[in-house]
Amino acid sequence: DTAVSQTPKYLVTQMGNDKSIKCEQNLGHDTMYWYKQDSKKFLKIMFSYNNKELIINETVPNRFSPKSPDKAHLNLHINSLELGDSAVYFCASSQVEGARFFGPGTRLTVL
Amino acid sequence: AQSVAQPEDQVNVAEGNPLTVKCTYSVSGNPYLFWYVQYPNRGLQFLLKYITGDNLVKGSYGFEAEFNKSQTSFHLKKPSALVSDSALYFCAVRANQAGTALIFGKGTTLSVSS
Repeated sequence: DTAVSQTPKYLVTQMGNDKSIKCEQNLGHDTMYWYKQDSKKFLKIMFSYNNKELIINETVPNRFSPKSPDKAHLNLHINSLELGDSAVYFCASSQVEGARFFGPGTRLTVL
Repeated sequence: AQSVAQPEDQVNVAEGNPLTVKCTYSVSGNPYLFWYVQYPNRGLQFLLKYITGDNLVKGSYGFEAEFNKSQTSFHLKKPSALVSDSALYFCAVRANQAGTALIFGKGTTLSVSS
């Protein structure tokens, strides 16, 4: 009965590879997000989708592409991974004005 | 542009004592304000929010926060700290406009000693 789930929890990969992180929420929320937490624990919004429509797209390299097949899913695909992409990526969901419910995070390590 | 500041990297308090974690914000119009807590190797957990109404907001685990419009602050408080409260706390703000992002502070590490 997990509210917001992400897979995988850990991802270790080589530079230049392409990888995806999946996110699902069972809360019936309209809006989903991807956040990046760097090594200093600083959290920054990357993308936001409302009812499968992109509403926030911060200054993120276009190697990062979110995809929302339906309201309950928001996946993150990353092409040509770089060392600087190493971070913890959090998916979250909310009703539009409400608090964000966060997933457990995916720790990405690029070697 | 909206921003949020948490002026303290770390707050140390003895168990049983009151605690305060500070947060100030800058946003156009009326703010939506939130506090989250993050335990090691975990996701963020929502503690409380201020949207409108009473300036004193009560949240989870005995935490509360006071919205002060004149000082643009939203400090997190708890009357009696527990060792299990030790964690990383984030204040966040967004403008009262559709499509605006939730901006997080840099976080404050709370350490409660027994």
